[in-house]
Amino acid sequence: DAGITQSPRHKVTETGTPVTLRCHQTENHRYMYWYRQDPGHGLRLIHYSYGVKDTDKGEVSDGYSVSRSKTEDFLLTLESATSSQTSVYFCAIRKAGNTIYFGEGSWLTVV
Amino acid sequence: TQLLEQSPQFLSIQEGENLTVYCNSSSVFSSLQWYRQEPGEGPVLLVTVVTGGEVKKLKRLTFQFGDARKDSSLHITAAQPGDTGLYLCAGLNNAGNMLTFGGGTRLMVKP
Repeated sequence: DAGITQSPRHKVTETGTPVTLRCHQTENHRYMYWYRQDPGHGLRLIHYSYGVKDTDKGEVSDGYSVSRSKTEDFLLTLESATSSQTSVYFCAIRKAGNTIYFGEGSWLTVV
Repeated sequence: TQLLEQSPQFLSIQEGENLTVYCNSSSVFSSLQWYRQEPGEGPVLLVTVVTGGEVKKLKRLTFQFGDARKDSSLHITAAQPGDTGLYLCAGLNNAGNMLTFGGGTRLMVKP
């Protein structure tokens, strides 16, 4: 058990609506990440956080924002969802020894 | 941007055969991690290699980190149907804030 909970696990939403995905960790690790996984592209980093209110962009950050107001929670927001954001989203945390563990994923479909 | 080339992309073999998956880059990584992912689940960490030239064994799986910390390999001896899955390599940059993934190797082991 990596101590990561993602919610919701599955969501269908309409184009143009805002969507927020939540990642919750139980162990107070400093680094948290959001990735998306798509066929033909593998896992790509969207945003990451290195502490409360400290975030930075990853490889595919356009159309996404993040917030981290508490150590244990890292939120990913799609301000206005588009069909290209249909994907599987994974949260990850970095533990001791620079080892990174992943959550179980959130399946998002934008129709 | 650091890139990781993973090969082969697909591999279908018979039970009992040996196989090797390669992960190559022109960049140096502080560590390299191997994951296995089942359909509908998040990547599960198999091993982390940190030191150039390091070899780690996990039952029938042998992981090696290149001397220059730019490449890695995963060797499976006497593959079993239970080894079927998506294998992912990922390199952590020297700053420790970004994990870059290879494209993955989809392995099928037939009984």
